[in-house]
Amino acid sequence: AQSVTQLGSHVSVSEGALVLLRCNYSSSVPPYLFWYVQYPNQGLQLLLKYTSAATLVKGINGFEAEFKKSETSFHLTKPSAHMSDAAEYFCAVSALGGYNKLIFGAGTRLAVHP
Amino acid sequence: DAGVIQSPRHEVTEMGQEVTLRCKPISGHNSLFWYRQTMMRGLELLIYFNNNVPIDDSGMPEDRFSAKMPNASFSTLKIQPSEPRDSAVYFCASGTGTVIETQYFGPGTRLLVL
Repeated sequence: AQSVTQLGSHVSVSEGALVLLRCNYSSSVPPYLFWYVQYPNQGLQLLLKYTSAATLVKGINGFEAEFKKSETSFHLTKPSAHMSDAAEYFCAVSALGGYNKLIFGAGTRLAVHP
Repeated sequence: DAGVIQSPRHEVTEMGQEVTLRCKPISGHNSLFWYRQTMMRGLELLIYFNNNVPIDDSGMPEDRFSAKMPNASFSTLKIQPSEPRDSAVYFCASGTGTVIETQYFGPGTRLLVL
């Protein structure tokens, strides 16, 4: 069965610093992987997705993620954090089953300090 | 374009009462998802519809929960009778129906059962 593990429920960075949010997946087949962001009191919004085309995936708002099969990882990065990046970030894997059934990680709350 | 619309945004009710949550998906989308988000269990898929037909309801917690999609532009999630443990944020999401589709989330309904 597919699953994702997000390391660190809370991450705090200074404005301008590198953002690194970790996600490891488990899948018996090549996975489809997603990162979603949730701003306070809002629904989730897609940041980026990996669909086996390129291993380095660029998303919105300057975020990118690299698929590493050998490490079963799909970590999310941004070179320079902005105050507006403060939100909760969810990694998800598409489970087998004929449709895009997403299995979400527990989420990582990102705080950005001035 | 309007995104996914959910109503009400907030609902406070007493244990034993019937609760109905409503969702209008994005026009042209043919897949619809209902999720529940709690601190303890994270994001859980409750039910998935494709072309108005329930395809996967394995996440519906018990018989007190029911969902319908009478047409392509409207879906309801009903809880009867409600219990305090149903308190959560309920999200509706819609998509185009492909395996790697982007799911577009509504703003959610925050439900509190007293």
